[in-house]
Amino acid sequence: AQTVTQSQPEMSVQEAETVTLSCTYDTSENNYYLFWYKQPPSRQMILVIRQEAYKQQNATENRFSVNFQKAAKSFSLKISDSQLGDTAMYFCAFTAYSGGGADGLTFGKGTHLIIQP
Amino acid sequence: KAGVTQTPRYLIKTRGQQVTLSCSPISGHRSVSWYQQTPGQGLQFLFEYFSETQRNKGNFPGRFSGRQFSNSRSEMNVSTLELGDSALYLCASSFLPGDVSGSPLHFGNGTRLTVT
Repeated sequence: AQTVTQSQPEMSVQEAETVTLSCTYDTSENNYYLFWYKQPPSRQMILVIRQEAYKQQNATENRFSVNFQKAAKSFSLKISDSQLGDTAMYFCAFTAYSGGGADGLTFGKGTHLIIQP
Repeated sequence: KAGVTQTPRYLIKTRGQQVTLSCSPISGHRSVSWYQQTPGQGLQFLFEYFSETQRNKGNFPGRFSGRQFSNSRSEMNVSTLELGDSALYLCASSFLPGDVSGSPLHFGNGTRLTVT
């Protein structure tokens, strides 16, 4: 079974600062996908960024980027120039490529990120 | 394009009752999955449907069931409700199952179920 660990229950930074959220995972699979989702108070989970394990290049989406270290099973999220609208719960998630049915996404417990004005 | 629509948004039920939650996926999406979110357990996978077939199911008792219709809409049912079933139930859709394609899931706003 896969596990995803987010060791920071809560983080708080000032607006415009850069913040890094940590995520580690445990799996015996070699092909898999990793995601960061954001859940604001509206409750809707929103995809932030996606990484395919076979790609060595780190994914980037505007102010969001990841540091994917496959050997260390680490997948951290960096948010640059943080904005008030970035305040939310952030979840790291994992799914293994199986082709025949997997156990859905495995989520970490989440990090509550607060951007202070 | 409309997003994933879940109804109702809030629901209050009594122990022992049953409940049905509805999910309409994004147009064209054929994969629908359900997750339970609680403060204690976090987000847990319930089940996934693709083309009206259940592909897999999480570690939940048989009181939790679901189905998918030919138009890809999905329902989940919880029978004999227990206090511990109080949670936010999230539905998500994707064009193909995530484990096959790595397709990201698109989530709805969830149904907040309270069991008293």
